[in-house]
Amino acid sequence: SQQGEEDPQALSIQEGENATMNCSYKTSINNLQWYRQNSGRGLVHLILIRSNEREKHSGRLRVTLDTSKKSSSLLITASRAADTASYFCATTASGSARQLTFGSGTQLTVLP
Amino acid sequence: DAMVIQNPRYQVTQFGKPVTLSCSQTLNHNVMYWYQQKSSQAPKLLFHYYDKDFNNEADTPDNFQSRRPNTSFCFLDIRSPGLGDAAMYLCATSTPFDRGETQYFGPGTRLLVL
Repeated sequence: SQQGEEDPQALSIQEGENATMNCSYKTSINNLQWYRQNSGRGLVHLILIRSNEREKHSGRLRVTLDTSKKSSSLLITASRAADTASYFCATTASGSARQLTFGSGTQLTVLP
Repeated sequence: DAMVIQNPRYQVTQFGKPVTLSCSQTLNHNVMYWYQQKSSQAPKLLFHYYDKDFNNEADTPDNFQSRRPNTSFCFLDIRSPGLGDAAMYLCATSTPFDRGETQYFGPGTRLLVL
């Protein structure tokens, strides 16, 4: 069954604005990852944060993790039209290192 | 470039007619995964191979089978496709040295069942 829920389900912003997506999960995790999927394509790994980390940055991406609340957020700063895609969080549960469980995804639309 | 390749990108089959989707990788990863993704939904893991060790998810229908003849190739066989099996099928790989962390996805095969 699906591990996580993401909100919002859909987000529409103007180019240059920041986009924030949230993910909640249910069980103890080893790590949490964010993936991006362009329409009709495969998923691309964006960033991984381990359970003992609280924040991580990669370029315009900033990820936070709060294990006490079982939640994570992905912030994309200075968004571009090319950032338009679906964004999924995925968790690796403790004791199940090979398997990812995906959240429901957020569809981000960045308007030029 | 090292990558995960899926063929074909689009597959049309008839109701009940067996179909095979293929995946190959040049990453030399030990683990290969098959996911099913329906429209506007999250990918759902069907099964994975750790080398030749096959791991089936409990809720994967019997209609779905997989073969991994060698490290590079993995196949998804749908024995009798139903209309509900129309979906995007994603192949992914990972290496256990990363503790199965980052997965590398192919572009997917979109299956249409007529």
